[in-house]
Amino acid sequence: DAKTTQPTSMDCAEGRAANLPCNHSTISGNEYVYWYRQIHSQGPQYIIHGLKNNETNEMASLIITEDRKSSTLILPHATLRDTAVYYCIVRVYDNDMRFGAGTRLTVKP
Amino acid sequence: GAGVSQSPSNKVTEKGKDVELRCDPISGHTALYWYRQSLGQGLEFLIYFQGNSAPDKSGLPSDRFSAERTGGSVSTLTIQRTQQEDSAVYLCASSLVVTSGRGETQYFGPGTRLLVL
Repeated sequence: DAKTTQPTSMDCAEGRAANLPCNHSTISGNEYVYWYRQIHSQGPQYIIHGLKNNETNEMASLIITEDRKSSTLILPHATLRDTAVYYCIVRVYDNDMRFGAGTRLTVKP
Repeated sequence: GAGVSQSPSNKVTEKGKDVELRCDPISGHTALYWYRQSLGQGLEFLIYFQGNSAPDKSGLPSDRFSAERTGGSVSTLTIQRTQQEDSAVYLCASSLVVTSGRGETQYFGPGTRLLVL
């Protein structure tokens, strides 16, 4: 199974870009990279996902390296409400998401 | 509804009692998943339903855990003879039809916080 490695925690200043890295060196060719976040006491919230190309939506951008062994989630202008645990997930099966410990992002004023 | 809903939001029970947790998926979503999240931990897959196919129960931790999905919509997760180690947040998610390699997005409910005393 492809696994992911993320830093345990990160800080970011409010209004600055938050860049959250993820390593997934054993990813297979048909596996997607997903990002979710979980704000305290809430269910996980979908952010973005991608296969090979970089992706952007209203919440974030996802940059995937050419060899697909790592990716970076970018929150372009972090706010205090972006403080959460961010999970990088490589989709192993169709039937479940394998969540790891994630990165605890703290946005500071 | 607009999203996945779960009830109750909180449940406190005594050791040995049975509990039922309910999940209402997003309308039109044929895939439904149950996860468990212990305090400070990541999500643990429990069970998966896809349309009329037999559910994937490979994540259920013991035979005290069971789930059903009636009419292809609402699902109930039942824990019999609850133990203190069952205390966790139980999360439900739903997605559109799952096609191999498509990576359908799962949308999560707010969870049910279960405390077994």
